[in-house]
Amino acid sequence: ELKVEQNPLFLSMQEGKNYTIYCNYSTTSDRLYWYRQDPGKSLESLFVLLSNGAVKQEGRLMASLDTKARLSTLHITAAVHDLSATYFCAVDIRGAGSYQLTFGKGTKLSVIP
Amino acid sequence: DAGITQSPRHKVTETGTPVTLRCHQTENHRYMYWYRQDPGHGLRLIHYSYGVKDTDKGEVSDGYSVSRSKTEDFLLTLESATSSQTSVYFCAISWGSGGYEQYFGPGTRLTVT
Repeated sequence: ELKVEQNPLFLSMQEGKNYTIYCNYSTTSDRLYWYRQDPGKSLESLFVLLSNGAVKQEGRLMASLDTKARLSTLHITAAVHDLSATYFCAVDIRGAGSYQLTFGKGTKLSVIP
Repeated sequence: DAGITQSPRHKVTETGTPVTLRCHQTENHRYMYWYRQDPGHGLRLIHYSYGVKDTDKGEVSDGYSVSRSKTEDFLLTLESATSSQTSVYFCAISWGSGGYEQYFGPGTRLTVT
């Protein structure tokens, strides 16, 4: 059974600080996705990482994938309040009929002014 | 925003009653998914479809059935709702499988009393 573990699950950080969210998974996959969810809203796609060593950046967020270590990181640079949200990673695994996403439990980020 | 709508957006129902949730897309994507989101569990896949009349089970399919008679519509049915099915249900679509990001609908909040 695939396990996708995120840590930390809760993160409170001050504006201007840097931090990293980790996503570990338990089986072979070279495709990983990051999503953002604001309270009471749907999920928004942030990054699609499709190979070992992939790195994507958008504004203050940078995601990377190490398939050998089965680890993805989401790095936050100089956090601002607008980044407060819950961040999910999801791993692509082949199922019976197609690939399926297995999600981590999410990291709730609160950026404090 | 991807053209995905879900109906109803909110529903309160009694234990033992049947409930059908609808997901409608205007993007002509082949793949459609139903997830449930519960606190502390992230998102879990219920069922998915890889074409008209082609469906398969996900991680938490017990108590749920699905149907897809048209490309644009994917229905999730709770034959006899239970309190454990109180949740937020998200529909998602993707163009392909494996390496294709999923786009999520706005969600349906279901309460079973």
